[in-house]
Amino acid sequence: DTGVSQDPRHKITKRGQNVTFRCDPISEHNRLYWYRQTLGQGPEFLTYFQNEAQLEKSRLLSDRFSAERPKGSFSTLEIQRTEQGDSAMYLCASSSRPFGGETQYFGPGTRLLVL
Amino acid sequence: AQKITQTQPGMFVQEKEAVTLDCTYDTSDPSYGLFWYKQPSSGEMIFLIYQGSYDQQNATEGRYSLNFQKARKSANLVISASQLGDSAMYFCAMREGRGSGGSNYKLTFGKGTLLTVNP
Repeated sequence: DTGVSQDPRHKITKRGQNVTFRCDPISEHNRLYWYRQTLGQGPEFLTYFQNEAQLEKSRLLSDRFSAERPKGSFSTLEIQRTEQGDSAMYLCASSSRPFGGETQYFGPGTRLLVL
Repeated sequence: AQKITQTQPGMFVQEKEAVTLDCTYDTSDPSYGLFWYKQPSSGEMIFLIYQGSYDQQNATEGRYSLNFQKARKSANLVISASQLGDSAMYFCAMREGRGSGGSNYKLTFGKGTLLTVNP
């Protein structure tokens, strides 16, 4: 399977705990995105990497959130001191030029539940 | 103002019939891209079809076609010969700008339409 993979698929944690999610993009893709999707809504952009450089962060990404993409390969998204409002699906996507309008291909997502 | 508007929270269609899912968008950028994704209950977002703002022809991918009306800023998805497996949430999304250099390629999504295909 050469698609985008995410780990874990599900995470249940208690309020105040830290959690970390991993995303492995399609191997030749140099751009990687994180989105958050809450119930009944479309995904919302969180942050974006081109290779290892984090080029933009949404205002949704509070200082409790941090994302990295060392060596421009996999990426991690960490949430510190989780709150119940962080409960959502966290989606990772990757893309590259030159074809198809820079289509983003998504992984299966990580469902986070904060108790 | 909403950048992507999907006015149909839910749609029903009979198996083997065609269905149109509506999407209107708002941008002042002359260069943009429009995407449709399918999200089954499992949660994964599956890319269906893409239309660029400068494309002269409407995009088609198998049973999916995009009815692109630039002046009306609409990009409706048409699914022909619906199948039971088409039951899912469908999201319209837009990328603004060419995204050249270090520009952001982020997608802005609508709220989605839940399609139910009846046997």
